[in-house]
Amino acid sequence: AQKITQTQPGMFVQEKEAVTLDCTYDTSDQSYGLFWYKQPSSGEMIFLIYQGSYDEQNATEGRYSLNFQKARKSANLVISASQLGDSAMYFCAMRDLYNNNDMRFGAGTRLTVKP
Amino acid sequence: DTEVTQTPKHLVMGMTNKKSLKCEQHMGHRAMYWYKQKAKKPPELMFVYSYEKLSINESVPSRFSPECPNSSLLNLHLHALQPEDSALYLCASSQEDRHPTTGYEQYFGPGTRLTVT
Repeated sequence: AQKITQTQPGMFVQEKEAVTLDCTYDTSDQSYGLFWYKQPSSGEMIFLIYQGSYDEQNATEGRYSLNFQKARKSANLVISASQLGDSAMYFCAMRDLYNNNDMRFGAGTRLTVKP
Repeated sequence: DTEVTQTPKHLVMGMTNKKSLKCEQHMGHRAMYWYKQKAKKPPELMFVYSYEKLSINESVPSRFSPECPNSSLLNLHLHALQPEDSALYLCASSQEDRHPTTGYEQYFGPGTRLTVT
């Protein structure tokens, strides 16, 4: 069974600084995908970034990068140059590539960006 | 167009009512999902449709009944709900590949906030 762990219920960061949100996972699958989603107070889940288990390079999307350490089973999200609009819940998620439909989410981290 | 639409945005219903939640996408995705999300919790998977067939049902009570009329539409029929069913109901869609070499992100709709009185 897959398990996603986000140990930081809440994080604060000063505007324009970088912040790292932690995510560890546990799986016996060989092929899996890791995802990060942002959920503002409006409720919509916004896809941010994806990392495949076979990808050798860390994924980057604009100000978002994923620090993937396969041996440690961690997939931390790094947000550079934080903006006030980054304040939201952030969820790490994972799914087996051969069970493509079954995605599981971590408990989430609430990020607050201070002006 | 990467939009998933959901109607209604808000729904208040009594325990004896019958209502339906609707979800639509026009991205050509062949997998569609229903999630339930309680306040301050992650989304919980309820149902998955793959090529218009129910592929995953996460032991959801029968008072929730999903329907996929075609590849673009997904409904969730509600009947005799309980107050504890009050939550945000999220619909999502994604590409589907029978031999995937990469993960496909799910695109979510804005959700329906359901209150059962």
